[in-house]
Amino acid sequence: QLVLTQSPSASASLGASVKLTCTLSSGHSSYAIAWHQQQPEKGPRFLMKVNSDGSHTKGDGIPDRFSGSSSGAERYLTISSLQSEDEADYYCQTWGTGMNWVFGGGTKLTVL
Amino acid sequence: EVQLVQSGAEVKKPGESLKISCKGSGYNFATSWIGWVRQMPGKGLEWMGIIYPGDSDTRYSPSFQGQVTISAYRSISTAYLQWSSLKASDTAMYYCARLEAASALGYWGQGTLVTVSS
Repeated sequence: QLVLTQSPSASASLGASVKLTCTLSSGHSSYAIAWHQQQPEKGPRFLMKVNSDGSHTKGDGIPDRFSGSSSGAERYLTISSLQSEDEADYYCQTWGTGMNWVFGGGTKLTVL
Repeated sequence: EVQLVQSGAEVKKPGESLKISCKGSGYNFATSWIGWVRQMPGKGLEWMGIIYPGDSDTRYSPSFQGQVTISAYRSISTAYLQWSSLKASDTAMYYCARLEAASALGYWGQGTLVTVSS
């Protein structure tokens, strides 16, 4: 079964960097994923797609501070030079067979 | 500019029916899958289903199969999510989205808040 696993929470200081992780279930390590950001009281926003080879394609207007990478079944979102507006929930999502979408449980990022 | 614009917030009573909409613009609506996502209060994102407006091919999450109906009219670039008999547990924010793996494109609607209360 295709499942995405995320840590429920993460924190980092203003101006620092943070790396969020999304882990694909066994047998699905070749899948690409997407990262979405949801700021408080707002709808989700597509950040980027991350491929299994670590390449990534960002959405319109996404700052260079956001980048993606991969290692095995893990997909990462790195945010550098953290700003207060980066405090948000971050969801990973992938595309299963039959056009279905699967979401991870989300990581709540706190900027200290 | 690609946009997905959803219909406004709704307040309904249990047992009532409802149809909410998502209008796409700035791209070929007929040739892109549109999905619906539920977010219950304080919870994460749940995929409900998806439709290809070009031929109305529709797929549902097993969790939502039989609970909702997804449709689309490509002539007016609009997708719909409907309930025949709402329950209090349907209270949530509902988003439409266009998330394409092949082209690495992602767009979300602004969301429609549905409140079901007696």
